[in-house]
Amino acid sequence: NAGVTQTPKFQVLKTGQSMTLQCAQDMNHEYMSWYRQDPGMGLRLIHYSVGAGITDQGEVPNGYNVSRSTTEDFPLRLLSAAPSQTSVYFCASSYSWTGGSHEQYFGPGTRLTVT
Amino acid sequence: KQEVTQIPAALSVPEGENLVLNCSFTDSAIYNLQWFRQDPGKGLTSLLLIQSSQREQTSGRLNASLDKSSGRSTLYIAASQPGDSATYLCAVRPSTSYDKVIFGPGTSLSVIP
Repeated sequence: NAGVTQTPKFQVLKTGQSMTLQCAQDMNHEYMSWYRQDPGMGLRLIHYSVGAGITDQGEVPNGYNVSRSTTEDFPLRLLSAAPSQTSVYFCASSYSWTGGSHEQYFGPGTRLTVT
Repeated sequence: KQEVTQIPAALSVPEGENLVLNCSFTDSAIYNLQWFRQDPGKGLTSLLLIQSSQREQTSGRLNASLDKSSGRSTLYIAASQPGDSATYLCAVRPSTSYDKVIFGPGTSLSVIP
């Protein structure tokens, strides 16, 4: 299994540009989530999904959109990038939403810089 | 609101020492607690997962304990090696909201050869 994969690994955007960060998992996990990691702030939850067609907001959702059309994919969209969105973005997944261990598996991250 | 802290923020030890990393949480109503390792510029690697009904978990030189009543977990690393140098994060999954895992800020460990 490839586990959780993310693309791209690095990205530079100009203020106002849009882009989509890709996340995929091949473990048939129901639960997927996006985090951002900033120095001194730790990891903060942006959006999450408990299954295809179901998404919800986390702690810092403003400026980001998500959708979940398949079990495998959970893209994160920045509609109009701002310098405050400069961060490292991690996608994570876990097997079961309702019960089970909920052990989380993380992707390698996308390092985004907005100028 | 659940808050997770980790002390110390940074730790430097000589190779071979046994060491303990601490994680504290303010609300004892947790579903599980997970310890991760993060190497510079990399993603998070799961080390140990402790369910709320468990007291400890072991994997190789690592042992994690959980005391819900006192809001604490410790990660014990035996016979530390330079390859253990990384940032260690703990994450709590509240039992009242499975969806929102709360991460601690991490402890940066440096093992000196």
